[in-house]
Amino acid sequence: EPEVTQTPSHQVTQMGQEVILRCVPISNHLYFYWYRQILGQKVEFLVSFYNNEISEKSEIFDDQFSVERPDGSNFTLKIRSTKLEDSAMYFCASSEALLPDTQYFGPGTRLTVL
Amino acid sequence: QKEVEQNSGPLSVPEGAIASLNCTYSDRGSQSFFWYRQYSGKSPELIMSIYSNGDKEDGRFTAQLNKASQYVSLLIRDSQPSDSATYLCAVTVGKRGGAGNKLTFGGGTRVLVKP
Repeated sequence: EPEVTQTPSHQVTQMGQEVILRCVPISNHLYFYWYRQILGQKVEFLVSFYNNEISEKSEIFDDQFSVERPDGSNFTLKIRSTKLEDSAMYFCASSEALLPDTQYFGPGTRLTVL
Repeated sequence: QKEVEQNSGPLSVPEGAIASLNCTYSDRGSQSFFWYRQYSGKSPELIMSIYSNGDKEDGRFTAQLNKASQYVSLLIRDSQPSDSATYLCAVTVGKRGGAGNKLTFGGGTRVLVKP
């Protein structure tokens, strides 16, 4: 069964460093998303991406964040200068269509900022 | 602020019993409703999706949607210890001409199934 994959599973970085989180969405899916979950809190939307551009972003997704689909399979989230409060689980999700808009999640990357 | 609300639990049920989970949402434009299961430290795993009023059954799970009351529920029949997890309710709001429907999640209900 097709699934969303994410690498790395765990990333430890120093405050102020850049990190790139990688995702491979399900191959025939067209809509891509990043979410994050701080320990003990809700899953929060960061950004959605379609047709090689951002379709919506949340207030969390400020200038420190960027997304890219560098090729036909990968979807990346870059945090330019990490802060302590960026420590969280980051989930990539993808969906095939707008309706039904069922999103399937990858296993997540745990980001720890020291 | 569009909200999705759930009782945080824990909801403790004996093995073999029915677990009943509830969720309310504030945006009347919500079009799609999902239940995800999340084990500790893992990602959300889709259990059910429901789009129209009424009941939808899939194995031991039944989702119920009432758009007039802005209420969606999940029943887990014959609960098993492996069902012990946090259950997340999530909704999307369709946007005219939109390109991507973000999920808004509730805080989740923790379910404990005791043998």
